[in-house]
Amino acid sequence: AQTVTQSQPEMSVQEAETVTLSCTYDTSENNYYLFWYKQPPSRQMILVIRQEAYKQQNATENRFSVNFQKAAKSFSLKISDSQLGDTAMYFCAFMKHEGAQKLVFGQGTRLTINP
Amino acid sequence: ETGVTQSPTHLIKTRGQQVTLRCSSQSGHNTVSWYQQALGQGPQFIFQYYREEENGRGNFPPRFSGLQFPNYSSELNVNALELDDSALYLCASSRQGVYGYTFGSGTRLTVV
Repeated sequence: AQTVTQSQPEMSVQEAETVTLSCTYDTSENNYYLFWYKQPPSRQMILVIRQEAYKQQNATENRFSVNFQKAAKSFSLKISDSQLGDTAMYFCAFMKHEGAQKLVFGQGTRLTINP
Repeated sequence: ETGVTQSPTHLIKTRGQQVTLRCSSQSGHNTVSWYQQALGQGPQFIFQYYREEENGRGNFPPRFSGLQFPNYSSELNVNALELDDSALYLCASSRQGVYGYTFGSGTRLTVV
């Protein structure tokens, strides 16, 4: 079974700073997908960024980028030029390539951006 | 395009009762998944439907059941409610899950 671990329950930074959220996972699969989702107080999970395990190049989406280390089974999220609207719970998630396309989530990191 | 909508947004039930939660998938999406999110935890996978057939189930007892309709809307039914069933229930839809799911805002269920 796959597991996802987020070791930082809470983080807090000042607006415009850069912050990195950590995520490690455990799997015996070779092909899989990794995601970062954001959950603001509105409760709706919003996809932030997606990485395919067979791609060595790290994914980027505007201010969001990942550091994907397949051998170390590590998948961290970097948020540059943080904004007040980035305040939310952030969840790292894993999905196998084969079978039911279910997401396995970590426990989440509560990120607060201070003005 | 419309997103994923869930109803109701909040619900209070008594232990032992039955509940039905509803979800309208995003237009064009044929896969729907349900997740249970306890307070302060990450979501846990309950089950998934693809073209009206269940094609994956998490570690939840049979009293959690579901349906997907021809228009790809979906229901989650929970029988014999227990206090531990109190949680946020999230519905997520996708055309192809590997590209990510679109989530609804959830139904907050409280069992008393």
